[in-house]
Amino acid sequence: EAQVTQNPRYLITVTGKKLTVTCSQNMNHEYMSWYRQDPGLGLRQIYYSMNVEVTDKGDVPEGYKVSRKEKRNFPLILESPSPNQTSLYFCASRGDMAPGANVLTFGAGSRLTVL
Amino acid sequence: AQSVAQPEDQVNVAEGNPLTVKCTYSVSGNPYLFWYVQYPNRGLQFLLKYITGDNLVKGSYGFEAEFNKSQTSFHLKKPSALVSDSALYFCAVRDGSWGKLQFGAGTQVVVTP
Repeated sequence: EAQVTQNPRYLITVTGKKLTVTCSQNMNHEYMSWYRQDPGLGLRQIYYSMNVEVTDKGDVPEGYKVSRKEKRNFPLILESPSPNQTSLYFCASRGDMAPGANVLTFGAGSRLTVL
Repeated sequence: AQSVAQPEDQVNVAEGNPLTVKCTYSVSGNPYLFWYVQYPNRGLQFLLKYITGDNLVKGSYGFEAEFNKSQTSFHLKKPSALVSDSALYFCAVRDGSWGKLQFGAGTQVVVTP
């Protein structure tokens, strides 16, 4: 089944304790992206990657890092989490071939709470 | 800069009645328009898109949307709502094929039996 898999789905951590949210896709998509969802704000892009070793900042990159060493994986790293990073995070990927061109496939989401 | 607006935080409709979720956008070039739906505790799922062609676009689960260039709108519609359509709906726009995807704030749809 074509899918984007994120882990963990739920995480409670404390301020300053480094954490990584993994994201993997099995569709051979070049483009991958991370979003955070906050009430009333919709989805805001954190980072995106056009292909292996090519990453760029989105709208809200502060406090986050990413890497794209392999095509299928795009982990999100919080080096020193703070309470304002408490949010629901989504990873998504997109291919360029019809009929799915331009359409994002989303993971199930990772709910992060930073105390 | 591009932007997208969903003017209603919540839409309430009785089962069997028509459902409309509003979306307006602003881009400098040709808009690529999308609707996604989020069910509780799930990721977003693609419903439909407008890139070019017919202004009326049909998508999944009986939904459709009409691209109106003069009103810069892309409202989502369903002729007869189901209780199972209760979810959070997001409109999104890209400014052409290379633009960044911008999401609206979302509209919660509540369908009552």
